[in-house]
Amino acid sequence: EAQVTQNPRYLITVTGKKLTVTCSQNMNHEYMSWYRQDPGLGLRQIYYSMNVEVTDKGDVPEGYKVSRKEKRNFPLILESPSPNQTSLYFCASSLVFSGSSYNSPLHFGNGTRLTVT
Amino acid sequence: AQSVSQHNHHVILSEAASLELGCNYSYGGTVNLFWYVQYPGQHLQLLLKYFSGDPLVKGIKGFEAEFIKSKFSFNLRKPSVQWSDTAEYFCAVNAWGGYQKVTFGIGTKLQVIP
Repeated sequence: EAQVTQNPRYLITVTGKKLTVTCSQNMNHEYMSWYRQDPGLGLRQIYYSMNVEVTDKGDVPEGYKVSRKEKRNFPLILESPSPNQTSLYFCASSLVFSGSSYNSPLHFGNGTRLTVT
Repeated sequence: AQSVSQHNHHVILSEAASLELGCNYSYGGTVNLFWYVQYPGQHLQLLLKYFSGDPLVKGIKGFEAEFIKSKFSFNLRKPSVQWSDTAEYFCAVNAWGGYQKVTFGIGTKLQVIP
C-alpha cells in the first residue's frame, strides 16, 4: 500500500531533550516536506526536500533540522525542544515530474502529536 | 511570496444545505490550486486539484471548485452536505512548476448538523 509513515504518533518529552520524528514513504517520491499544524494558524511549512541531499527552509524552520540521506526517508530533528514546539506535525511527499509544470498533490502521513513540557 | 486566505473559519450547516467555502490567493504568476480535507483525528487528504484547463474541477464525494483567475479565487462548493462532511478544509497553492513551496490557508472547520 502506498503510504507515508510517521513515527511515533504521540510523543511527550521535556525541554531540551533531543528527539527525532521519522518519516518514510514507499512511493519513490522526490519531494518531501514537514509541516506543523496549530489551531488558528493552519499548516506551516518547516523544511522541504526536493531530492536526496537537497533540503531547504520553509516558513518556520527555527529549532528544527532535517536530513535526506535516502530518497524514502526524511527525519525531523529537534535538537533542544521547547514548549512552543508543542504541535501536531505532518510529513508529506509528492511526485515531481522533472522539466514539467505538473505538480502532483501531496500525500500526508498520519501525524505526530508532540508535547514538550 | 504566495499566500492563501480562507474567509470562513468555522461554518455550521444543517444536512442538505449547500456549501461554499471561500479561498483567495495572492501570487503574480500561474498557480496550481488544491483543496484538502482533514476528517477528525486523521491526516489531510486531497479533495480536488486544479492545474490547467477547465476552471471548474470536480473532486471526490460530490465536491467541486471553480478557479476564477480574475478574482484570484478557488472556492469550494457542494450542493448538499452530509453529516459525514464534518471536517476541516484547507485551500493550498503553489507556483506553477515551483513545487518547492506549497502554502496552505488556515483552514475552515465545517460542522454539519444532522
